[in-house]
Amino acid sequence: NAGVTQTPKFRILKIGQSMTLQCAQDMNHNYMYWYRQDPGMGLKLIYYSVGAGITDKGEVPNGYNVSRSTTEDFPLRLELAAPSQTSVYFCASSPTHSGMETDTQYFGPGTRLTVL
Amino acid sequence: AQTVTQSQPEMSVQEAETVTLSCTYDTSENNYYLFWYKQPPSRQMILVIRQEAYKQQNATENRFSVNFQKAAKSFSLKISDSQLGDTAMYFCALQDNYGQNFVFGPGTRLSVLP
Repeated sequence: NAGVTQTPKFRILKIGQSMTLQCAQDMNHNYMYWYRQDPGMGLKLIYYSVGAGITDKGEVPNGYNVSRSTTEDFPLRLELAAPSQTSVYFCASSPTHSGMETDTQYFGPGTRLTVL
Repeated sequence: AQTVTQSQPEMSVQEAETVTLSCTYDTSENNYYLFWYKQPPSRQMILVIRQEAYKQQNATENRFSVNFQKAAKSFSLKISDSQLGDTAMYFCALQDNYGQNFVFGPGTRLSVLP
């Protein structure tokens, strides 16, 4: 198992550009998450998905979009990049089972994004 | 490879009492960061406390404090004067000095009883 993979590892964008951060997991997990982590800060939830075709907003969704067409993939789209979106982005997945509120999360290696 | 272990899947504590959650980890790095996160049903990850490995002084944040034992690779969380709102899943996490390679423990489900 590769676990959770993210591409790219690093990216520099100009203000107003768009890009998609890729995330894939091969563990057949239902739940997937996107977080951002600013320097010296904790994780903030952007979006999450409880299964293919279902997504929901987290704490800081503005400026981002997601889709979940398959169980494996959960791409994060940035439209009109802004300097405030400079951050490290982490994708995670968890095998949350029915009846449990939450479960262990497995994280990807992160994508370091700079918007200039 | 970095690993994080939380040996207590579930714990309970009476309101106003003190509880300690255990966490051990393994890393070959000398500098790294340790975190305790709280995850309520909303699925947000709420940062409870953060510790830099190069700092010997234990981090404290209001009712939350840690006992960081670097040589033993132990990072326990103490919650004093437990409140009903502390009921949640608690994750111990390790991150390398470059701000990547996040590893979370399996979590401890804490219930604060009235």
